[in-house]
Amino acid sequence: DTEVTQTPKHLVMGMTNKKSLKCEQHMGHRAMYWYKQKAKKPPELMFVYSYEKLSINESVPSRFSPECPNSSLLNLHLHALQPEDSALYLCASSQDRDPTNEKLFFGSGTQLSVL
Amino acid sequence: GQQVMQIPQYQHVQEGEDFTTYCNSSTTLSNIQWYKQRPGGHPVFLIQLVKSGEVKKQKRLTFQFGEAKKNSSLHITATQTTDVGTYFCAGRRSGGYNKLIFGAGTRLAVHP
Repeated sequence: DTEVTQTPKHLVMGMTNKKSLKCEQHMGHRAMYWYKQKAKKPPELMFVYSYEKLSINESVPSRFSPECPNSSLLNLHLHALQPEDSALYLCASSQDRDPTNEKLFFGSGTQLSVL
Repeated sequence: GQQVMQIPQYQHVQEGEDFTTYCNSSTTLSNIQWYKQRPGGHPVFLIQLVKSGEVKKQKRLTFQFGEAKKNSSLHITATQTTDVGTYFCAGRRSGGYNKLIFGAGTRLAVHP
């Protein structure tokens, strides 16, 4: 069980589609993250939001667009993706009281397939 | 950039045998965390080590942080089938704000 909820659990989209991934947490955490994980690989950091402001963008292509509407919600807008973008997209959150000392809580992820 | 190496990539053991995974960083770390990801699941936080030479235990799991804060290990005594999964170390460079770098992970298979 996880206290970080991600929807949808699975998503299949074409290269011309626009879709969004959603993430929600109600633990009062102020930092939220998007990670991408390919099969049998470690999670790779994409974006970090701290107090609803984007603090880290790991040179992610612009076809991925994050949004943090409030401290509980995190979205990832997808447009014109490529088949190689197929992966498990994980959302995580942390308290953000001490940015050098944070424990991450992960959601169950969205398994994305791009056709 | 910072890299966190982890070995072995894969290990299978008979139930009851011990298991160890090792993590090495190219730079000094402010702390190191360990996560477990069950097959088809998501990473779950296990522990954080902060101090040089620190050793922490959780039941059959023993975690160590090296004196130079560049390496770490996870040792499982008497593995059980419930230990199956991938174990990731994740390090944060000193001064590395919210940027956790994951090692490649060690996939553990336990045969009954």
